[in-house]
Amino acid sequence: EAGVAQSPRYKIIEKRQSVAFWCNPISGHATLYWYQQILGQGPKLLIQFQNNGVVDDSQLPKDRFSAERLKGVDSTLKIQPAKLEDSAVYLCASSLADRLYEQYFGPGTRLTVT
Amino acid sequence: AQKVTQAQTEISVVEKEDVTLDCVYETRDTTYYLFWYKQPPSGELVFLIRRNSFDEQNEISGRYSWNFQKSTSSFNFTITASQVVDSAVYFCALTTNTGNQFYFGTGTSLTVIP
Repeated sequence: EAGVAQSPRYKIIEKRQSVAFWCNPISGHATLYWYQQILGQGPKLLIQFQNNGVVDDSQLPKDRFSAERLKGVDSTLKIQPAKLEDSAVYLCASSLADRLYEQYFGPGTRLTVT
Repeated sequence: AQKVTQAQTEISVVEKEDVTLDCVYETRDTTYYLFWYKQPPSGELVFLIRRNSFDEQNEISGRYSWNFQKSTSSFNFTITASQVVDSAVYFCALTTNTGNQFYFGTGTSLTVIP
């Protein structure tokens, strides 16, 4: 069974530029999460989708971050414009709708903003 | 509110020594799940173990063992006869049956010196 896929694995941009990350969850997983992991910290939830609907985006900085999951499968997280403090690893995870405690994490995208 | 505390920021041990990583959690939910993840330099979160709140039985898997004590709200992780390949950041995490997101501790960076 294929795991959670993410791309790109690494991205370097200058501040004020925009960037997008892509995630493809495990087949059949209705729930998808985006986490931000700043160096030296644990991952922090940014947004949770159930199919193509948003369940929780309370910690998403909506002035610059946006995410979508239009067809309820893969998802895109965008940052526009990026700030230096956005440098982090962005992790995508997925789970079955009735097993939210069983999240599978992707390899992450390491973003460096200069 | 849910919270996970990993008081040990960094630990260094010499190969073949035993090491225990501490994890203390807070939650008011009666049903919850505790996890340990390993994050090697590559960045991916590697699942190690999940325990639910109704199962306080300790578990051993090879050189790894976990001690879950509800009385002290702790879920400690011991590596016996440590190896260089155990060097990584280890995260303890909590999720609940009523919640959705994982709450991660700040991680413990383990270095095993050959």
